[in-house]
Amino acid sequence: NAGVTQTPKFRILKIGQSMTLQCAQDMNHNYMYWYRQDPGMGLKLIYYSVGAGITDKGEVPNGYNVSRSTTEDFPLRLELAAPSQTSVYFCASSYSSRGEQPQHFGDGTRLSIL
Amino acid sequence: DQQVKQNSPSLSVQEGRISILNCDYTNSMFDYFLWYKKYPAEGPTFLISISSIKDKNEDGRFTVFLNKSAKHLSLHIVPSQPGDSAVYFCAASEWAGNNRKLIWGLGTSLAVNP
Repeated sequence: NAGVTQTPKFRILKIGQSMTLQCAQDMNHNYMYWYRQDPGMGLKLIYYSVGAGITDKGEVPNGYNVSRSTTEDFPLRLELAAPSQTSVYFCASSYSSRGEQPQHFGDGTRLSIL
Repeated sequence: DQQVKQNSPSLSVQEGRISILNCDYTNSMFDYFLWYKKYPAEGPTFLISISSIKDKNEDGRFTVFLNKSAKHLSLHIVPSQPGDSAVYFCAASEWAGNNRKLIWGLGTSLAVNP
């Protein structure tokens, strides 16, 4: 089982460049999430989606955009990369929004903005 | 202001002994609590959850205790094994708009020594 797959695993960007972090899940989950984790910190929610065509902002959405055209894919777009966006980005999915339902995570994309 | 606090950044225990990881929260609206384990260069993996209406949930070597009046929960691992060495995150769940929100602690790094 692939679960949640994130690409690329590592990337270095220059200030002002743009890129898309890819996320795909094969579990037919409706709910998908993007988090960032800064060093020594907990995870912060960037954007989430409750189904294809439906997305909404999380705690820290500024500087990012998302789309959800299919159930499987949930790409995260960085426009005009800034050093403050240096972080590890995790994509996750869940079957439902029930409180006890766990989120399944990809292995992350480590992004450095120089 | 952190709503979910893991006050011990690190913990070291001997193989075979009990590991106790603690988590405090401030928001009485949290209705589920989840523990995740994270190895380096991997995404978080769900361990165990507990509803706010319960005071204990057990799954194999892992038991979570909830003291709602003290707004405190703890994860017990018995017996501890070297493979348990990882960062453990406490996360609390509440409804926010049309979806649930997970608030994460900063994590506790557990080292189980052979």
